[in-house]
Amino acid sequence: DAGVIQSPRHEVTEMGQEVTLRCKPISGHDYLFWYRQTMMRGLELLIYFNNNVPIDDSGMPEDRFSAKMPNASFSTLKIQPSEPRDSAVYFCASSSTEGRQPQHFGDGTRLSIL
Amino acid sequence: AQSVTQPDIHITVSEGASLELRCNYSYGATPYLFWYVQSPGQGLQLLLKYFSGDTLVQGIKGFEAEFKRSQSSFNLRKPSVHWSDAAEYFCAVGIYMNYGGATNKLIFGTGTLLAVQP
Repeated sequence: DAGVIQSPRHEVTEMGQEVTLRCKPISGHDYLFWYRQTMMRGLELLIYFNNNVPIDDSGMPEDRFSAKMPNASFSTLKIQPSEPRDSAVYFCASSSTEGRQPQHFGDGTRLSIL
Repeated sequence: AQSVTQPDIHITVSEGASLELRCNYSYGATPYLFWYVQSPGQGLQLLLKYFSGDTLVQGIKGFEAEFKRSQSSFNLRKPSVHWSDAAEYFCAVGIYMNYGGATNKLIFGTGTLLAVQP
């Protein structure tokens, strides 16, 4: 039973470059969440989708961040242009509405912006 | 506003000793409560959840948690800690509402880092 799959696991890039993080949710889950985790700010919810539609993007830090979910099995989080303060671990999670099931997390993408 | 407080940032226990991690929540409705564990370099793994019914819930890896409505608490316990339990533990409350687009999100506490001494 495949869990939430994120790629890449690690990304190192220079400031100003575009970064794309990818997520494949668990099949059948209708919610998808993007989180950012840092030592200073802990775990922050950036945005989440229901049936591929963004429901709440109030956590997206600024216009440099964008997220899409073109279909039920794929989502991307883009940062353009990237800055050193974007360095963090980014997690994707998915859940099912039915029975208000808990969120299942991927292993994260560790992003370092030089 | 909804919130979750984990008052202990860091806890150290000896292997074989009992463990209790504290969690207090603030939420106006019936809470859906969760405990997650995060090992280094890994994502968050669900330990247990409380939705309704019996206030003592059992989870994986020998963990349990007790919901106390009068104290707005959901403390995590384990009778005998193993070295492999060293990790960070997060308590969360689920927010679910339906109006013009289903609200479904978790409010996390800041986490408690558990160290286990041999």
